[in-house]
Amino acid sequence: AQSVAQPEDQVNVAEGNPLTVKCTYSVSGNPYLFWYVQYPNRGLQFLLKYITGDNLVKGSYGFEAEFNKSQTSFHLKKPSALVSDSALYFCAVRDINDMRFGAGTRLTVKP
Amino acid sequence: DTGVSQDPRHKITKRGQNVTFRCDPISEHNRLYWYRQTLGQGPEFLTYFQNEAQLEKSRLLSDRFSAERPKGSFSTLEIQRTEQGDSAMYLCASSSGGDRGSGNTIYFGEGSWLTVV
Repeated sequence: AQSVAQPEDQVNVAEGNPLTVKCTYSVSGNPYLFWYVQYPNRGLQFLLKYITGDNLVKGSYGFEAEFNKSQTSFHLKKPSALVSDSALYFCAVRDINDMRFGAGTRLTVKP
Repeated sequence: DTGVSQDPRHKITKRGQNVTFRCDPISEHNRLYWYRQTLGQGPEFLTYFQNEAQLEKSRLLSDRFSAERPKGSFSTLEIQRTEQGDSAMYLCASSSGGDRGSGNTIYFGEGSWLTVV
């Protein structure tokens, strides 16, 4: 079965600094990888996805992710973090009929 | 707003009572999903519909849970004889069709919080 792992429960960065939220995957076949963000007491918002093509995927709110096949990773990045980016981030992989999520990484951006 | 809509957003119920949640997917989406999320965890798949057909159910979906999508549009998730362990956020999501395992994005609603006291 397809799966993803998020090795960090918590990531802290200072406002204005670059941020990285890590994700590794385990799939059979071609991976369809996604990032979602969740603000408190809200549903999940889609940020970006990798299906095929360029390894660097650009998404909403200035986020991007880099697909690395050799390292089986799909890390989420942003060049300059904002306090408003503080939220819970989920990496996910498309399975046959559903989406499988990682446990989530809580990002805190400090002013 | 043309996103996924869920109702109610919050529900507090006594143990043993039945509760029902409603989901209205994005109108052109033929696939509808239910997930459950507990605090500190990622969403867990419960069940999935393609049009009105319920095609897959997770083992998490005990006999007390039933989901329907009678006309292939909105869906309901009913939990009978609620238990404290049912306390969670129930997320509905939808996507357009495509090959199984396609890269179509799944879009989520705001969720329905259930607290069983």
